[in-house]
Amino acid sequence: AQKITQTQPGMFVQEKEAVTLDCTYDTSDPSYGLFWYKQPSSGEMIFLIYQGSYDQQNATEGRYSLNFQKARKSANLVISASQLGDSAMYFCAMREWPGNTGKLIFGQGTTLQVKP
Amino acid sequence: DAGVTQSPTHLIKTRGQHVTLRCSPISGHKSVSWYQQVLGQGPQFIFQYYEKEERGRGNFPDRFSARQFPNYSSELNVNALLLGDSALYLCASSLVSGPWNPQHFGDGTRLSIL
Repeated sequence: AQKITQTQPGMFVQEKEAVTLDCTYDTSDPSYGLFWYKQPSSGEMIFLIYQGSYDQQNATEGRYSLNFQKARKSANLVISASQLGDSAMYFCAMREWPGNTGKLIFGQGTTLQVKP
Repeated sequence: DAGVTQSPTHLIKTRGQHVTLRCSPISGHKSVSWYQQVLGQGPQFIFQYYEKEERGRGNFPDRFSARQFPNYSSELNVNALLLGDSALYLCASSLVSGPWNPQHFGDGTRLSIL
């Protein structure tokens, strides 16, 4: 069964430092997409970055990069040069292609706190 | 461009009542999905609609129903409300229904059941 695991309930990082948020996934399908979302305390879910299962290179979007290790089924989010505004809950999510249901499977989330 | 808009922002209901939540997708997006997020957990998939047809349904009771209109906006209906239905309800839209298309979320509707 498809599953997303985020093992870090909470993380602290010093402002301007880099931080890695862990995500492992489980699926038997070869076609899938992996997503990271940021959810501030206000509640909105903000799309950060996407990695496709067939993508050869790791995805990058500004200060966000995705460390995709397909054999290990991991898709860790790396945030470089942390800012105070990065303090939020971060969710890893997966979407499979077969079935075409549009269903996103989310992990439990990691709370990130950036210290000044 | 306007993002995904949801209404109302907050709602308080009592057990046994019904509720209708509304969602307008990003212009040009034809796929709308609904999620329930209980405090402290990740969102759980409820429904997906694409081109006005239901394409997916999560593990939720029949008290939950939804529909999509010709303008691609959507409604989520919940009947016979229970205390456990208290949650943040998120609507998401995407251009098409494929794994490579990110879903963009609205700010959600916070539903409280008394």
